[in-house]
Amino acid sequence: GENVEQHPSTLSVQEGDSAVIKCTYSDSASNYFPWYKQELGKRPQLIIDIRSNVGEKKDQRIAVTLNKTAKHFSLHITETQPEDSAVYFCAASFDSWGKLQFGAGTQVVVTP
Amino acid sequence: NAGVTQTPKFRVLKTGQSMTLLCAQDMNHEYMYWYRQDPGMGLRLIHYSVGEGTTAKGEVPDGYNVSRLKKQNFLLGLESAAPSQTSVYFCASSDPGASYEQYFGPGTRLTVT
Repeated sequence: GENVEQHPSTLSVQEGDSAVIKCTYSDSASNYFPWYKQELGKRPQLIIDIRSNVGEKKDQRIAVTLNKTAKHFSLHITETQPEDSAVYFCAASFDSWGKLQFGAGTQVVVTP
Repeated sequence: NAGVTQTPKFRVLKTGQSMTLLCAQDMNHEYMYWYRQDPGMGLRLIHYSVGEGTTAKGEVPDGYNVSRLKKQNFLLGLESAAPSQTSVYFCASSDPGASYEQYFGPGTRLTVT
């Protein structure tokens, strides 16, 4: 089955700086890579996703890059703000039923 | 639209007791999923359903059963709860014809003593 590794497990950044979270996956058949943000006590919410036929996608301060050859993808947050503080999860979908294999999560803390 | 809802929000069980968690969605989504979330382990898939009347095992199915008698509902059952099943349970749904995005419910926090 698919295995997704996520690094780092915690990330502290100063407000205004950039944050980068990296994930690797094992199944070359994986074709969909979402990123979820989860605030304390809340449900995971999709913030950006990318399909395997695209190398990069951007939405305002958030971007995701995908390297299919190396089987890794990354989340980039620019100009971080205190409200970006949360746990971020990467995931990979490896079959037609949309099943997701999640990474272990990254706790991001943005300090003013 | 309410989206995806879950009942109950919280529950405390004693070892050996049984219970059913209910997930409901009003988006007419075909696919539904049950995950559990434990500290430091992300979300793990328990069971999933790709349509009314169908269910399949995920990554961690042992100790759980599911049913999808109606398209909008997906039930997760614990027949004999164990402390290892203490977790936060999330339900999700998706519309494969539209996108791969999964929409999550608010979660159920279950404690087994």
